[in-house]
Amino acid sequence: QKEVEQNSGPLSVPEGAIASLNCTYSDRGSQSFFWYRQYSGKSPELIMFIYSNGDKEDGRFTAQLNKASQYVSLLIRDSQPSDSATYLCAVNVPGYNTDKLIFGTGTRLQVFP
Amino acid sequence: EAGVAQSPRYKIIEKRQSVAFWCNPISGHATLYWYQQILGQGPKLLIQFQNNGVVDDSQLPKDRFSAERLKGVDSTLKIQPAKLEDSAVYLCASSKAGGLHTDTQYFGPGTRLTVL
Repeated sequence: QKEVEQNSGPLSVPEGAIASLNCTYSDRGSQSFFWYRQYSGKSPELIMFIYSNGDKEDGRFTAQLNKASQYVSLLIRDSQPSDSATYLCAVNVPGYNTDKLIFGTGTRLQVFP
Repeated sequence: EAGVAQSPRYKIIEKRQSVAFWCNPISGHATLYWYQQILGQGPKLLIQFQNNGVVDDSQLPKDRFSAERLKGVDSTLKIQPAKLEDSAVYLCASSKAGGLHTDTQYFGPGTRLTVL
């Protein structure tokens, strides 16, 4: 089982709709979860992080965490064509010397006008 | 605040040649990371420095890859000799503290390496 799993997509949604991106992880010791956006040919850019169970909202973005189900999601409301990118889920995994981030393969989102 | 700087942005070499990448982290960030991102995959951690010491290099192919972070600031990642499968984007990231689950990593623009 991969440590962090995402559906590679593409996920296609019309402009103005809600895009829902999902991620599951395997390490129950993980305490923090990050969503990065990566435009084609660019480097990952942090969108949000979440530590506690429940929802965290930031503008049009909402991160949801359910530690019991080992599931984290990102909702994008009022999707815009400029949101078209790959969304990487990253999970903090405790290690012997230090924690490290494990990334999923990313979900490609396409928002069409 | 200036972001993470990397150079070069692009590099094309032939297999068995050597190559080096440079990274300058965000000022004041103690932790520096090198990631490899192969097309269609997420970034994979190669090595993590806390100040100028290595805290994780478990996924670094040490027979051909080496990295150093002198004086706890800039870092260099070297590949010698390069193989075709090393073609990827090499991302440098930095964070304030490292090793804490609340720490946030910020990425540089990356170096796209093509090995022919």
